[in-house]
Amino acid sequence: DAGITQSPRHKVTETGTPVTLRCHQTENHRYMYWYRQDPGHGLRLIHYSYGVKDTDKGEVSDGYSVSRSKTEDFLLTLESATSSQTSVYFCAAQQGLGTDTQYFGPGTRLTVL
Amino acid sequence: AQRVTQPEKLLSVFKGAPVELKCNYSYSGSPELFWYVQYSRQRLQLLLRHISRESIKGFTADLNKGETSFHLKKPFAQEEDSAMYYCALSGPPTSESASKIIFGSGTRLSIRP
Repeated sequence: DAGITQSPRHKVTETGTPVTLRCHQTENHRYMYWYRQDPGHGLRLIHYSYGVKDTDKGEVSDGYSVSRSKTEDFLLTLESATSSQTSVYFCAAQQGLGTDTQYFGPGTRLTVL
Repeated sequence: AQRVTQPEKLLSVFKGAPVELKCNYSYSGSPELFWYVQYSRQRLQLLLRHISRESIKGFTADLNKGETSFHLKKPFAQEEDSAMYYCALSGPPTSESASKIIFGSGTRLSIRP
C-alpha cells in the first residue's frame, strides 16, 4: 500500500460546513492526487501535486482546494460542502512519471446532508 | 479530448469461461495505458500496464492503435477475479500530461460459480 493513509475514513457533515480530508504517505513520493469515485463516473481527478507547494487542478476541481506544505501530507478542503460532494474520496501517490505505479489510499466516504 | 470509455457497467460470466473487458480511448498522440482493479474491501491497485507487456493473474491486454482499444482478456475466469476494473490512460512519460491519469467509468466483473 506504499504507506498511504487517509483520515478520516468516514465523515458525515452538513451542507455549508467546511471539511478537510488528509492524505499521508511515508514513501517520499513526489506526486500526490485526490480523486472522487462516483457510480457511473469512475474516478475523476480533483487536484494533484507535483511537489511541495506545487499543485494543479484536475477535471472536477470546482468547490475544492488543496495544500501540500510537506512531502508526506496532501490536504483536500471543501470550503462549504454541498450534497453534490457526497462521494468516496481517494488519495494516491506516485514516485515519478511514466512507468512508476500510482498507489492508492483506502478511501474516505463523505456524506453531506 | 482525452477520454476513456468502458461500455459495460457490469459483466457476468461463468467460472472457466473467457473474459473480455472492453476499453476504448481517445487521445491525440501515444498514451500510456493501464488497467486498475479494485477487489471488495481492498484498495485500487494496478493490474497491468501496456508498456510492460506483462500478464498478471492470467490477464493480458493488447493495445490496438487502429481501433484505439485496450481490451482486457483472460481465457478462463476464476471466482477470485470478481472485482471492479478500471481502464486508464496518461500521457507519454516525457509529456506534461504524464502526471495525470484519466480513468474510465469502470466495469464490475462478476464470476458465477
